[in-house]
Amino acid sequence: AQTVTQSQPEMSVQEAETVTLSCTYDTSESDYYLFWYKQPPSRQMILVIRQEAYKQQNATENRFSVNFQKAAKSFSLKISDSQLGDAAMYFCAYRDNSGGSNYKLTFGKGTLLTVNP
Amino acid sequence: DVKVTQSSRYLVKRTGEKVFLECVQDMDHENMFWYRQDPGLGLRLIYFSYDVKMKEKGDIPEGYSVSREKKERFSLILESASTNQTSMYLCASSLFSPLSRNEQFFGPGTRLTVL
Repeated sequence: AQTVTQSQPEMSVQEAETVTLSCTYDTSESDYYLFWYKQPPSRQMILVIRQEAYKQQNATENRFSVNFQKAAKSFSLKISDSQLGDAAMYFCAYRDNSGGSNYKLTFGKGTLLTVNP
Repeated sequence: DVKVTQSSRYLVKRTGEKVFLECVQDMDHENMFWYRQDPGLGLRLIYFSYDVKMKEKGDIPEGYSVSREKKERFSLILESASTNQTSMYLCASSLFSPLSRNEQFFGPGTRLTVL
């Protein structure tokens, strides 16, 4: 079974600085997706960024980018120019394309990000 | 925008009660999911459904059942609530197509307390 590990339960960053959240995963599949979701306090979880495993280029979405290392099974999220609104719980998630239950997501335990003014 | 709504934000029930948590999505998604979220454990999948009247167990189905009579609605049922089912419950939906990249859209959550 696939597993997703977020080794940092909590992180903090100063406003305007850069922070990197770590995620590793374990799978024997070659075709899969990886996601970072954000859950602000008392608000709905939303997708931040996704990465297809077959793409070598790292995904970027404005201030958010990933460092995808397929051989190392690592998928870190970098937040540049951190803003107070970035404070949230961040979840890394995995989904494979092997067929069958290929729409299920496996989540890590989350990293709570605090942004200090 | 996709909208996923859940019937209650906060719910307090007593041990042994039958509890219904309702979830509705408005984007004609085939897939719907129920997760529970607990501190330090992340999100764990309880049940999911890929079509009307179709369901599959997730990782922690014990003590729960589900119902999907209409495509837009997915209900989670606690047949006899217990204190260890106190948790945040999240509903999500997604398209079935593998070409969709299967982003899941989440509801606001229901914080259930069982006394």
